[in-house]
Amino acid sequence: KQEVTQIPAALSVPEGENLVLNCSFTDSAIYNLQWFRQDPGKGLTSLLLIQSSQREQTSGRLNASLDKSSGRSTLYIAASQPGDSATYLCAVRGAIQGAQKLVFGQGTRLTINP
Amino acid sequence: DAGVTQSPTHLIKTRGQHVTLRCSPISGHKSVSWYQQVLGQGPQFIFQYYEKEERGRGNFPDRFSARQFPNYSSELNVNALLLGDSALYLCASSPTSGRSYNEQFFGPGTRLTVL
Repeated sequence: KQEVTQIPAALSVPEGENLVLNCSFTDSAIYNLQWFRQDPGKGLTSLLLIQSSQREQTSGRLNASLDKSSGRSTLYIAASQPGDSATYLCAVRGAIQGAQKLVFGQGTRLTINP
Repeated sequence: DAGVTQSPTHLIKTRGQHVTLRCSPISGHKSVSWYQQVLGQGPQFIFQYYEKEERGRGNFPDRFSARQFPNYSSELNVNALLLGDSALYLCASSPTSGRSYNEQFFGPGTRLTVL
């Protein structure tokens, strides 16, 4: 059974800092990994999708890496801004064909202080 | 282009009642998935539908059911509501071709409160 863990559960940093969010998963047989952002009481916004054959993806100030063999992914946020404050969730899809089931971590609640 | 839409936004029900939640996927997306997110937790997979057929089911009781219509919209039904069903219910759609192949796009969710 796939399990996804995100550390830390909460993080508070001053504006302008670069930061790294961590995600680990127990079964390396994944199809892809997706990072999401969630604002309080809202739905999920897809940030980056990494296919199992890829090592990293970049979008603006965000960079996500994937190391399947060690069961880890990181989300790097450069030059953080107060508007980046949100909960960040990672989710993996298993490699077995069939349901597009995502298994989520519990998220990291990020606060950027002005 | 419109994103995934869900209705209603909020819903309050009492124990034992039945509820129907609705989802319209992004135009052109044929796959719809449903997730339950309890406060403070990550979303949990409930169902996936593709081309009107159930393709996957999570570890939820038979009180939960869903269906997909010819226009690819979907309904999630929950019978005999329990207090523990209180959660944010999220719908996601996914393309089956193109640059965003298999990426899941989520709607704003329906907040269900069971009293």
